[in-house]
Amino acid sequence: EAGVAQSPRYKIIEKRQSVAFWCNPISGHATLYWYQQILGQGPKLLIQFQNNGVVDDSQLPKDRFSAERLKGVDSTLKIQPAKLEDSAVYLCASSRGPDQPQHFGDGTRLSIL
Amino acid sequence: AQSVTQPDIHITVSEGASLELRCNYSYGATPYLFWYVQSPGQGLQLLLKYFSGDTLVQGIKGFEAEFKRSQSSFNLRKPSVHWSDAAEYFCAVGINAGKSTFGDGTTLTVKP
Repeated sequence: EAGVAQSPRYKIIEKRQSVAFWCNPISGHATLYWYQQILGQGPKLLIQFQNNGVVDDSQLPKDRFSAERLKGVDSTLKIQPAKLEDSAVYLCASSRGPDQPQHFGDGTRLSIL
Repeated sequence: AQSVTQPDIHITVSEGASLELRCNYSYGATPYLFWYVQSPGQGLQLLLKYFSGDTLVQGIKGFEAEFKRSQSSFNLRKPSVHWSDAAEYFCAVGINAGKSTFGDGTTLTVKP
């Protein structure tokens, strides 16, 4: 089966600009996750979707980050405006259900100048 | 709140030598425990998981891990390391398979 697809792979922007990341989960996977992985740290969950509904966004900085999964398949994560501390790898993962193992994409590496 | 500690930031072993990566967790009940591997520029790949039952868990690529409740540990082992095992390894603990807290990782370097 095809894996989790993410784009772009790399993005460089200046602070205060906006950026968007896209994720296409494995076909049939109802649960989708976005993680932030800062250099030297483990992934931190930003938001979890079940189909097109948000299950957990308690660690999402809602003043600047937003995410959607309108049709319960693809998802986008947006940052506006970006700050220097947002430099990280943004990982998308999907699973068949909320209690099933996750499959990760290769991530988008974001650099803020 | 659940937490994971990986005490070793960086480990170097010689090819063919044995490997043990440490993981300690804090959780109020019997957790779901995982080990993932991440190669440079790639996402995380699940090596193995423990939910219940036999405390010695076998995973992919010749890895195994042992759950020790009394020590709140879930250490990863491999009897003979290959150069291709060089990567970063993450331990994770969760209330279920889908929702996990990750440690900060251990970087493994393999010497020829």
